[in-house]
Amino acid sequence: AQSVTQLGSHVSVSEGALVLLRCNYSSSVPPYLFWYVQYPNQGLQLLLKYTTGATLVKGINGFEAEFKKSETSFHLTKPSAHMSDAAEYFCAVSLPNSGYALNFGKGTSLLVTP
Amino acid sequence: KAGVTQTPRYLIKTRGQQVTLSCSPISGHRSVSWYQQTPGQGLQFLFEYFSETQRNKGNFPGRFSGRQFSNSRSEMNVSTLELGDSALYLCASSLVSESGNTIYFGEGSWLTVV
Repeated sequence: AQSVTQLGSHVSVSEGALVLLRCNYSSSVPPYLFWYVQYPNQGLQLLLKYTTGATLVKGINGFEAEFKKSETSFHLTKPSAHMSDAAEYFCAVSLPNSGYALNFGKGTSLLVTP
Repeated sequence: KAGVTQTPRYLIKTRGQQVTLSCSPISGHRSVSWYQQTPGQGLQFLFEYFSETQRNKGNFPGRFSGRQFSNSRSEMNVSTLELGDSALYLCASSLVSESGNTIYFGEGSWLTVV
């Protein structure tokens, strides 16, 4: 079975500072990995995903993540935080050929201060 | 292009009652999946339907059921409601039932059980 651990349920950064949200996964086979963002009272929006190929994945809104198999990690970064980045972020994993069943981490709430 | 539409957005039910939630996927999408989101348990996969067939099921009791119609619209039903069923129920759709595909979430149905 696959699982996801997000380190830090709350992260606070200053506007303009680097954003780093951590995600580690556990999987018996190479998984597919995803980052989603959720704004208050809204559904989830895909930021980026890794399936195969290039391990550095660029997503929307300036976010990117790097798949590191040796570290079983898929950390999300953004060079410069914006106030509008304040939201809940979820890392998720699924297995190839498993249909559609995402296993989500518990989420990290990002606070951006002026 | 319309997104994933969920109805109703908000509802309050009494313990012991049943509830039906509806989801209209993005036009052309044939895979519909459902997730439950609670503060305590986070996001949990309920089930996925593709071409009217349930492909995957999460670890939920039999009180939780779903179905998909020939037009890909889906409903989920919860019978004999318990207080712990209070949650945000999210529907997501995808073009095909492949785990690497992008899935698009609706804004959810907020269920409160009193």
